Amino acid sequence: KQEVTQIPAALSVPEGENLVLNCSFTDSAIYNLQWFRQDPGKGLTSLLLIQSSQREQTSGRLNASLDKSSGRSTLYIAASQPGDSATYLCAGYGSARQLTFGSGTQLTVLP
Amino acid sequence: DAGVIQSPRHEVTEMGQEVTLRCKPISGHNSLFWYRQTMMRGLELLIYFNNNVPIDDSGMPEDRFSAKMPNASFSTLKIQPSEPRDSAVYFCASSPERGGLSEQFFGPGTRLTVL
Repeated sequence: KQEVTQIPAALSVPEGENLVLNCSFTDSAIYNLQWFRQDPGKGLTSLLLIQSSQREQTSGRLNASLDKSSGRSTLYIAASQPGDSATYLCAGYGSARQLTFGSGTQLTVLP
Repeated sequence: DAGVIQSPRHEVTEMGQEVTLRCKPISGHNSLFWYRQTMMRGLELLIYFNNNVPIDDSGMPEDRFSAKMPNASFSTLKIQPSEPRDSAVYFCASSPERGGLSEQFFGPGTRLTVL
């Protein structure tokens, strides 16, 4: 059974800092990994999807990488802004044929 | 496109009452998913449909829960009778391809409180 872990559970950084959020998964037979953002009381917003054949995806200040062999994915946020404050969730789609979500990292970017 | 639409956004009901949550997926998407989010268990898949057919309902907690997708633009999740432990945020998501092979797009959720 796929298990997805995100560490740390919470992170606080000053504005302008570059940061990395970590996601690890147990099922190396992963088809894709998706990063989401969730604002308080809101739904999930898809940020990036990395297929198993890809190693990374970029969108603006965001870059996500996927290393199947080590069971890890990272989300890099460049030049963080207070508007980036949210909970970031990763989810892997693997042999269980469903998205398995991590518990999220709550990010606070201080002005 | 308006994205995935869910209604109601908030529902407060009393134990034993029937609750119906509604979802309109993004036009053209073939897969629809119902998830539940709680503090204790995080996000859990309840059921997913592909081309209006239920494919995996193994996440449906018990017989009190049922879901239908009568056509490509509408789905319902029903709880009858509701219990306080059903209190959670219920999300609907849709995807252009089968299962989770492509990006999933989530609706704003329905916050359910069962008293």
